[in-house]
Amino acid sequence: SAVISQKPSRDICQRGTSLTIQCQVDSQVTMMFWYRQQPGQSLTLIATANQGSEATYESGFVIDKFPISRPNLTFSTLTVSNMSPEDSSIYLCSVGPGRGELFFGEGSRLTVL
Amino acid sequence: KNEVEQSPQNLTAQEGEFITINCSYSVGISALHWLQQHPGGGIVSLFMLSSGKKKHGRLIATINIQEKHSSLHITASHPRDSAVYICAVEDSNYQLIWGAGTKLIIKP
Repeated sequence: SAVISQKPSRDICQRGTSLTIQCQVDSQVTMMFWYRQQPGQSLTLIATANQGSEATYESGFVIDKFPISRPNLTFSTLTVSNMSPEDSSIYLCSVGPGRGELFFGEGSRLTVL
Repeated sequence: KNEVEQSPQNLTAQEGEFITINCSYSVGISALHWLQQHPGGGIVSLFMLSSGKKKHGRLIATINIQEKHSSLHITASHPRDSAVYICAVEDSNYQLIWGAGTKLIIKP
């Protein structure tokens, strides 16, 4: 199993600013996944973060907007840059699939004014 | 057509009722996941299935690989079961395809 601590749990930010979300896993994992969940929608994968290499971004997501760091096998950060109200979402980090059960952080609920 | 379809989209029931949520998919899969998301946003894994049936407490999940269909059942439902239930299928490349979720409300 894996326990993922994610913070902040929620934040209210001003347009044009940036916010960094952190995820700490209680065990070493090769891949971590970052998701966005817009209001009333299902999860959308932003990128896959591997330790020691650049993150792999899904279509529609770019590194300049969502830079990701993965300095070791238990930690990752996602930054939402130059925020606009359209970035208001829940952001979640995850481990799995490919290792059985899926594990998620508690989610970061971001509101951009 | 979505590759993973859940039904119903919304479900309201009385405490004690037997609940069924359905998930149909159109792609080949290596596993199917049922997850629960509470209003705060956190997501908890309920089941991972590749065949047959699994039971955990009042929750039962079944999958029919030939029919590409899975069901999540809740027996003796309780208001604390109120949440969004999400089906996700995992393809052979470990890619996840997400259903839209079923919002369940159990009234006391």
